[in-house]
Amino acid sequence: NAGVTQTPKFQVLKTGQSMTLQCAQDMNHNSMYWYRQDPGMGLRLIYYSASEGTTDKGEVPNGYNVSRLNKREFSLRLESAAPSQTSVYFCASSERWLNSGNTIYFGEGSWLTVV
Amino acid sequence: GNSVTQMEGPVTLSEEAFLTINCTYTATGYPSLFWYVQYPGEGLQLLLKATKADDKGSNKGFEATYRKETTSFHLEKGSVQVSDSAVYFCALSDRNGNQFYFGTGTSLTVIP
Repeated sequence: NAGVTQTPKFQVLKTGQSMTLQCAQDMNHNSMYWYRQDPGMGLRLIYYSASEGTTDKGEVPNGYNVSRLNKREFSLRLESAAPSQTSVYFCASSERWLNSGNTIYFGEGSWLTVV
Repeated sequence: GNSVTQMEGPVTLSEEAFLTINCTYTATGYPSLFWYVQYPGEGLQLLLKATKADDKGSNKGFEATYRKETTSFHLEKGSVQVSDSAVYFCALSDRNGNQFYFGTGTSLTVIP
């Protein structure tokens, strides 16, 4: 019962390096999300994908790109990492039903440090 | 727009004390409301939810009632345990279920 799986769990990058965070869900959900969590800031939405083939910016998209590879997978790429991108990143997914109280499910998080 | 405001932490309680964490929301239409819990080093897990006014969500001794008149969804537990120590997030989803909005989280520490 994997749910939402994201890799890597920990990563240290040097400023200017690039990397991709991978995420996959096995619940056949339409919607997928990338959040970052910083102390005192709660969760902030970076990008989301309401369905396969679509992506939209969230609250803090600058410095990131995403790819919805297929229905299961949604990757987050940092093209040129900056210290301000040091954070914990969470991938999430949900079904999208009108008025039904759809639930969002989270991965275990990826701890990224940019030095 | 949509937003969630929850009480600032951290909150420290003795075991068996009563817990209330306040949450109020602003939303257009009729959102669904959630409480999520995050244990150290883990992702967020759904604790409970309510999908319409006057609904009560409950799980593991926690309860919250969807109050449309006060736009609130306060989390309560009658007797907390050390194992309840975690960060609690209030959240809402819009009517279309396209987006979720989270509060900033409230850290709870329960001491024996």
